[in-house]
Amino acid sequence: AQSVTQPDIHITVSEGASLELRCNYSYGATPYLFWYVQSPGQGLQLLLKYFSGDTLVQGIKGFEAEFKRSQSSFNLRKPSVHWSDAAEYFCAVGGGNEKLTFGTGTRLTIIP
Amino acid sequence: NAGVTQTPKFQVLKTGQSMTLQCAQDMNHEYMSWYRQDPGMGLRLIHYSVGAGITDQGEVPNGYNVSRSTTEDFPLRLLSAAPSQTSVYFCASSYGVSKSYEQYFGPGTRLTVT
Repeated sequence: AQSVTQPDIHITVSEGASLELRCNYSYGATPYLFWYVQSPGQGLQLLLKYFSGDTLVQGIKGFEAEFKRSQSSFNLRKPSVHWSDAAEYFCAVGGGNEKLTFGTGTRLTIIP
Repeated sequence: NAGVTQTPKFQVLKTGQSMTLQCAQDMNHEYMSWYRQDPGMGLRLIHYSVGAGITDQGEVPNGYNVSRSTTEDFPLRLLSAAPSQTSVYFCASSYGVSKSYEQYFGPGTRLTVT
């Protein structure tokens, strides 16, 4: 069965600092991988996705993620965070069965 | 396009009451799904549908019913609410596996069962 692990429940970074959110997945074939962001009181918005090809994918709001098959990871990065990036971030994995499995989320706090 | 809409935004029920959470999308998406979000558990799939007239169970279907009579609408029914169903419910839609697979989420319904 597919699964996603986000080992960090809560991360705090200073505004302007770099960010890396970790995501590890388990999937039997080439996965479809996603990062979603949820601002307080809002639904989820897609940041970026990986299906195939270049393992470094660019998303919205200056985020990027790198697919590493050997490590079963799909970590999200941003070189310089802004206060508006404070939110909860979810990694998800899916495949041909049309179901997505979400991680438990990482809450990001930005301090001035 | 309005995208995915959900009503109501907030609801309080007493144990044993029934209600229907509404979900509609205007993007002609074939695939629609319902998730519940609980603290520390991420999103868990309740039911999903790959097209009008076709539904299937997800990870946590007990206590919930769905139907899909049209492409646009995918209501979620709680027949006899229980406190364990206190959660935030999200509806999502997508073109499905044959297209971009991106899921578009509604704003959510916060349900409290007392």
